[in-house]
Amino acid sequence: QKEVEQNSGPLSVPEGAIASLNCTYSDRGSQSFFWYRQYSGKSPELIMSIYSNGDKEDGRFTAQLNKASQYVSLLIRDSQPSDSATYLCAVDTGGFKTIFGAGTRLFVKA
Amino acid sequence: ETGVTQTPRHLVMGMTNKKSLKCEQHLGHNAMYWYKQSAKKPLELMFVYSLEERVENNSVPSRFSPECPNSSHLFLHLHTLQPEDSALYLCASSGTGTGGNGYTFGSGTRLTVV
Repeated sequence: QKEVEQNSGPLSVPEGAIASLNCTYSDRGSQSFFWYRQYSGKSPELIMSIYSNGDKEDGRFTAQLNKASQYVSLLIRDSQPSDSATYLCAVDTGGFKTIFGAGTRLFVKA
Repeated sequence: ETGVTQTPRHLVMGMTNKKSLKCEQHLGHNAMYWYKQSAKKPLELMFVYSLEERVENNSVPSRFSPECPNSSHLFLHLHTLQPEDSALYLCASSGTGTGGNGYTFGSGTRLTVV
């Protein structure tokens, strides 16, 4: 069964620090990888997508992909209290199937 | 309206009731999805429609019945639900038809079965 694994956390970082969120996946044929942010009581919001090995930066967010290790990560620089949320890793395995991890809860302390 | 709109936001229903969840997308996307989100569990894919045809049905109990009358609207009809069906039901849409560019989610329907 295809799986996406994340550490459930909570991950607690001080304001201004770098938050590092990690994700592993089981399907080697996966081509598209996503990070969603979900605030408590809200629906998931797409914040990053990455399709090839290496880093992709968007503002304070950097997504990293290593297909050989089947590993995806999200770095949040200069973390703010408003970044406190659950971050969902998602992997598109093809054929209309996107598999989600259970999410990592992030707390940024002011 | 923009994005993906779901109604109702909250729903409490008895086990013998029949109700429907509605989803509408204003993004011109051609694929729509129903996901179930239970506490501390990954999102579970329930149904996928691409160009109004169902292309995925993830072994969902028959008490959940989807309907996609056109590419902008998606319904989830509910009947004789169980308490364990209480969850957040999320509708999503994508533009490529395969989810390869990520999803836009609606705000969800918080369902409580009593």
